[in-house]
Parts: sequence; structure tokens; C-alpha cells
Amino acid sequence: DAGITQSPRHKVTETGTPVTLRCHQTENHRYMYWYRQDPGHGLRLIHYSYGVKDTDKGEVSDGYSVSRSKTEDFLLTLESATSSQTSVYFCAISEWQSYEQYFGPGTRLTVT
Amino acid sequence: GQQVMQIPQYQHVQEGEDFTTYCNSSTTLSNIQWYKQRPGGHPVFLIQLVKSGEVKKQKRLTFQFGEAKKNSSLHITATQTTDVGTYFCAAMNYGGSQGNLIFGKGTKLSVKP
Repeated sequence: DAGITQSPRHKVTETGTPVTLRCHQTENHRYMYWYRQDPGHGLRLIHYSYGVKDTDKGEVSDGYSVSRSKTEDFLLTLESATSSQTSVYFCAISEWQSYEQYFGPGTRLTVT
Repeated sequence: GQQVMQIPQYQHVQEGEDFTTYCNSSTTLSNIQWYKQRPGGHPVFLIQLVKSGEVKKQKRLTFQFGEAKKNSSLHITATQTTDVGTYFCAAMNYGGSQGNLIFGKGTKLSVKP
């Protein structure tokens, strides 16, 4: 498995609280992605990064923000968590011109 | 927007039976990838197909890319309990930057011993 870690692995939080999920890679890959996975919806892209401080929106970006200040770290922030953001969040990485993506172990987030 | 449709959503087989999942697009695809996700795990890259009509094999798994590059299939011969999981196809999203993928919703395979 590629060197990708996610923290925390599990989190329960209350509606309205801010939450930050961290993705850390040791592969020095240029591209990083945040997905959410929900039953019946498969994997949906939230945000992605194509370099340090270079990010863009994905399919389901509303309510989420990201930051990438170092190549190895990609942060996903829920400014004010809602119950609809209860999901499993996966980080993924890929290298320039190599389209396969390598996924982290995931973070299970529950918003009560 | 661009979509990839994957069927069936679920498949239950007896161990030893074959299994096929299909991925279809209304637009021509530059390439297609397949991933496997074990229960409780994360998606794992299996293979990428690029050429029209391409066929690739990995042991009991056979991957095909259609001649028109609008569909793809994954066939597993003589399923084993280790094949259990969800299989996703994914295609490049032309509207996004390099590496952005659009995932199908997956086919969940269960294998009865």
C-alpha cells in the first residue's frame, strides 16, 4: 500500500461544530483528493489539489474547504458540520501523468 | 455532467461461479480504471485500460475495453470467497484537471461458500 495515512480514523461530532480531517502522504505525489463515500452514491469527489496551495472544487464541494500548505499534507475542513456530512471520507493520491489513484484507509465521521 | 453507469448493483454467486460487472458511458472515454474495495476497506487500484478493444488479464480476472471506448467489463472466472467486495470502474473526467476520475456506483459481489 502507498504511504497514506488519515487522521482521525473515527470521529463523532455534534451539528454545528468545525471538523478537520488530515491526509498525510510519504510518496511525494503531486495530486491529492478528498472523496466521500455513501451507500448508493459510490465515491464522490469533494476537492482536489494539484500542487501546494493549488486546489479546486469537485462534484460535492458545498460545506467543505481544503488547504495544502505542504506537499505531504491535505486538510479537509467542515466549517460547521451537518448531519448530511455523516459519511466515510477517503483521501487519495496520484502522480503526474499516472492516473491511477491510491487511497488512504478512510475516516468515518458521524455528525449527531 | 459526465457519468459512468455500472451494473449490476449487487451480485450474489455461489463459490466457483463466474461473475461479470459492466461499466457504460454515453461518451467516449480516454481510459478506464477498475478498483476493488473489500468490506470495511479502501478502494485499491486494479488496472487501467487505454486502447480500443483492449483485453487484460490478472489471474482469474479479465478486463475488457469496448471497441468504441464507451464500455468496459470485469469478468471473474470461478469466484472465490476472497473475491468478495465492491468493484468500481472509474473514468477520466474531461471537465476537470488531470487525474480527476468519475466513479461508477460499484457492483457489490458476495460469494457463498
